[in-house]
Amino acid sequence: AQSVTQPDIHITVSEGASLELRCNYSYGATPYLFWYVQSPGQGLQLLLKYFSGDTLVQGIKGFEAEFKRSQSSFNLRKPSVHWSDAAEYFCAVGGRAGNNRKLIWGLGTSLAVNP
Amino acid sequence: GAGVSQTPSNKVTEKGKYVELRCDPISGHTALYWYRQSLGQGPEFLIYFQGTGAADDSGLPNDRFFAVRPEGSVSTLKIQRTERGDSAVYLCASSLGYRGGPDTQYFGPGTRLTVL
Repeated sequence: AQSVTQPDIHITVSEGASLELRCNYSYGATPYLFWYVQSPGQGLQLLLKYFSGDTLVQGIKGFEAEFKRSQSSFNLRKPSVHWSDAAEYFCAVGGRAGNNRKLIWGLGTSLAVNP
Repeated sequence: GAGVSQTPSNKVTEKGKYVELRCDPISGHTALYWYRQSLGQGPEFLIYFQGTGAADDSGLPNDRFFAVRPEGSVSTLKIQRTERGDSAVYLCASSLGYRGGPDTQYFGPGTRLTVL
C-alpha cells in the first residue's frame, strides 16, 4: 500500500539550532516527492520538490531535503531555524505515471521554536 | 499573479443540508484537485480533474460527494445530506497538468466546513 510516514508528530527546537524532519514512504516505484509547510490560518506552501537528478534539493526559506532511495526517505533539513519557521510540515508523494497525480500525505510534523 | 482561490472561506451548515464549495484555479492550469483535511491529519485526496473530466475520483468517500468542472476552469464540490463527520477543511489545488511529467500542485487557502 502507498503511504507516507512522518515519525515525529511534534518537535521543539531552539532558535538558531539545526533541524531535521523525517519522512519515509512506501510506494511501488520512485515517486515524486514534496515538502509543504502550513502556517496557522494559511494554505499549504511548497517548500521543495524532488523529481529527478541531484538527490539533494534546495528549497525556499533555506530548507533542503535529501532523497535516499535505499532508505525510502526524503528528510527535510535546515541549518539554523528562525522563529518564523514554527508551523506544520507535511511530506507528500505523487505518482509518475499518466493520470496518477494524486498526492499521498503524511500526518505532518508540528514544529515549535523556542526563543 | 493570482493564486488558487476558494469560496466561502468558512461554511457552517446543519446536518442533512446541501453545500457547495467553489474553487477558482490559477489561470492556465489544466489540472485541479480536491483534498480534505481533518484536524490533526494530513490532506486526503478526493478527486482530480484534467480539463473538464474527472481523471481520478477514487477518493470520494461516498455518493453524497460530487464535483464538477464544466468549463475546465472553476470547480464546485457538492456535498448532499451533510453529516457531522464531513466537518473538515476542504482544500483545492491546481497544476499545469503536464501529461506524464512532473507537476507541482499549488493550494488555495481552503474552506472550513462545519456541520452542526
